[in-house]
Amino acid sequence: EVQVVESGGGLVQPGGSLRLSCEVSGFTFSDFAMNWVRQAPGKGLKWVSLISGSGRSIYYADSVKGRFTISRDNSKNTLYLQMNSLRVEDTAVYYCAKDPHVGSWVGASDIWGQGTLVTVSS
Amino acid sequence: DVQMTQSPSSVFASVGDTVTITCRASQGVRNYLAWYQEKPGKAPKLLIYSASSLLSGVPSRFSGSGSGTDFTLTISNLQPEDSATYYCQQANTFPYTFGQGTNLEIK
Repeated sequence: EVQVVESGGGLVQPGGSLRLSCEVSGFTFSDFAMNWVRQAPGKGLKWVSLISGSGRSIYYADSVKGRFTISRDNSKNTLYLQMNSLRVEDTAVYYCAKDPHVGSWVGASDIWGQGTLVTVSS
Repeated sequence: DVQMTQSPSSVFASVGDTVTITCRASQGVRNYLAWYQEKPGKAPKLLIYSASSLLSGVPSRFSGSGSGTDFTLTISNLQPEDSATYYCQQANTFPYTFGQGTNLEIK
């Protein structure tokens, strides 16, 4: 069974840091690009970042570039999102999501975790 | 960034109806377009990718079409469980961008 489980969310003060983790099982992790997508309370979906299966290709939304770092450990089947210099507007549920295409990516997300809530507030 | 505009923002329909949701890109995205269904408190669910490829396991009542800047999601023979918010997303150009969502209510 394919599973994607995020962890690491919580309450943090503006300017603080958090590291989100996403542990996967049920598929060959290194074969697939992975995305982080977030959703602020009551708002729509916003794409945050993508990392290729090998980890060599990485892309970010402009709003997080220079503050967030996506990475993966294929030996541990785990995706990460290091979030620094957090802002109130980063408050959201963060989802880890798998691309459906083996080897490269089509840019969609077919398997999603349950999400982890990040709240940035003083 | 590529702006994705969905219409309508909300739609009311009855069981058995056919509904069409439109997504327009501010610049061409070839066929790098996905559609998602989201229900309250749940993670989004991918329905269609590459504009018209139905994900395995998704009912054939869902179909997608389009290329370039104009895309449609059609849901035929509406069922009560189709009540949800639907999002389009372009994946041709980074940063990927989503539409604002279309709320579908089944009367």
